[in-house]
Amino acid sequence: QPVLTQSSSASASLGSSVKLTCTLSSGHSSFIITWHQQQPGKAPRYLMKLGGSGDYNKGSGVPDRFSGSSSGADRYLTISNLQSEDEADYYCETWVSHTRVFGGGTKLTVL
Amino acid sequence: QVQLQESGPGLVKPSETLSLTCTVSGGSVSSGSYYWSWIRQPPGKGLEWIGNIYYSGSTNYNPSLKSRVTISVDTSKNQFSLKLSSVTAADTAVYYCARDLEQRGTGWAYYYMDVWGKGTTVTVSS
Repeated sequence: QPVLTQSSSASASLGSSVKLTCTLSSGHSSFIITWHQQQPGKAPRYLMKLGGSGDYNKGSGVPDRFSGSSSGADRYLTISNLQSEDEADYYCETWVSHTRVFGGGTKLTVL
Repeated sequence: QVQLQESGPGLVKPSETLSLTCTVSGGSVSSGSYYWSWIRQPPGKGLEWIGNIYYSGSTNYNPSLKSRVTISVDTSKNQFSLKLSSVTAADTAVYYCARDLEQRGTGWAYYYMDVWGKGTTVTVSS
């Protein structure tokens, strides 16, 4: 099974951009992943599905400020023009061999 | 627009069975393109997938929980359910249900959760 590695925390200033990374373990660099956002005290929300070629499919209502990209085993979530409501936990996950694996999540602080 | 709502007891005693139901509104649990998932989140920790089910009853489970988990579906009530047996304090968590959308290609399938319920808190304590 693949392992998904995320930094535990990140921070960026209001109005700036931030790039969060989800790294797939060796041998799984072509895998599709999914990004979810969890604002404090709320349920997770689907952001996008992101393929190994950088193609992504966003959920309904997800702002244009959110985009995805890929490089090798790395899957990126870029948030532009950061807003206060973007302060949240961001989780990546993938489906493989009839099971699902989550990354540990990245806590994003908007300064 | 489809919505999911979890329901069930908020307090369960150790060694007993946790039982939760997810009611689907604005859509049908019998839709052919979807599986239906359960996920949990212990206090202050990350997300853990429990398992999912297709309307036909076909299931997939997290290997680490498989021996204690049963997920079932009731198409007549547009609901699916979770049973987790022999619970301990480690099973204390917020439990979420979610819709699992299927994407298929030649020789492969990918599932991603595109709609989540609001979650329900379950505490295991005597």
